Amino acid sequence: RKEVEQDPGPFNVPEGATVAFNCTYSNSASQSFFWYRQDCRKEPKLLMSVYSSGNEDGRFTAQLNRASQYISLLIRDSKLSDSATYLCVVNRDPGNTPLVFGKGTRLSVIA
Amino acid sequence: SAVISQKPSRDICQRGTSLTIQCQVDSQVTMMFWYRQQPGQSLTLIATANQGSEATYESGFVIDKFPISRPNLTFSTLTVSNMSPEDSSIYLCSVDGGPSYEQYFGPGTRLTVT
Repeated sequence: RKEVEQDPGPFNVPEGATVAFNCTYSNSASQSFFWYRQDCRKEPKLLMSVYSSGNEDGRFTAQLNRASQYISLLIRDSKLSDSATYLCVVNRDPGNTPLVFGKGTRLSVIA
Repeated sequence: SAVISQKPSRDICQRGTSLTIQCQVDSQVTMMFWYRQQPGQSLTLIATANQGSEATYESGFVIDKFPISRPNLTFSTLTVSNMSPEDSSIYLCSVDGGPSYEQYFGPGTRLTVT
């Protein structure tokens, strides 16, 4: 089983739609969780950290379910500029080990 | 977040040669990481570079193939040695920089080996 698994998509949605991405991780000892965004031919950029209590940043909401080892990202009111690949990322041992990346979910927002 | 630069941004190299990639950060950081992203794939960690000690390599990566230097807290290099077409990839450096141990990435070096 892969350490971080995501549906690769692509998700093709119209502008204004709400879209949700899911991710599962295999290591129950994982401590930190993130969503990164990667545009074509660019480096990954941190979108948001994911906290146990859930967190929201504008149109983006992230949720963590430790019992199910499941992370989600919800994007409301999709914009054309949201088109990118969204990477689910886990850190097993913060401060001591590097990040483990999922393969990413491609999103295309269509006018 | 830290500002990270990489040189070169891209290169086309012949098989059997070596390329050294530089990573420069605008502030002192404890840990720097080198990743590889092959076409259509996600990021795979090559090694962790700590200042004053040898790099720690992940399974499948060895020092002879990917020697790393970390002479100070703002700079690191990764060398891709004796290149083959399978080494064609994007190589990215990153630094840890946040309270939640998130990482920030350089713009990457796009390597093509012919």
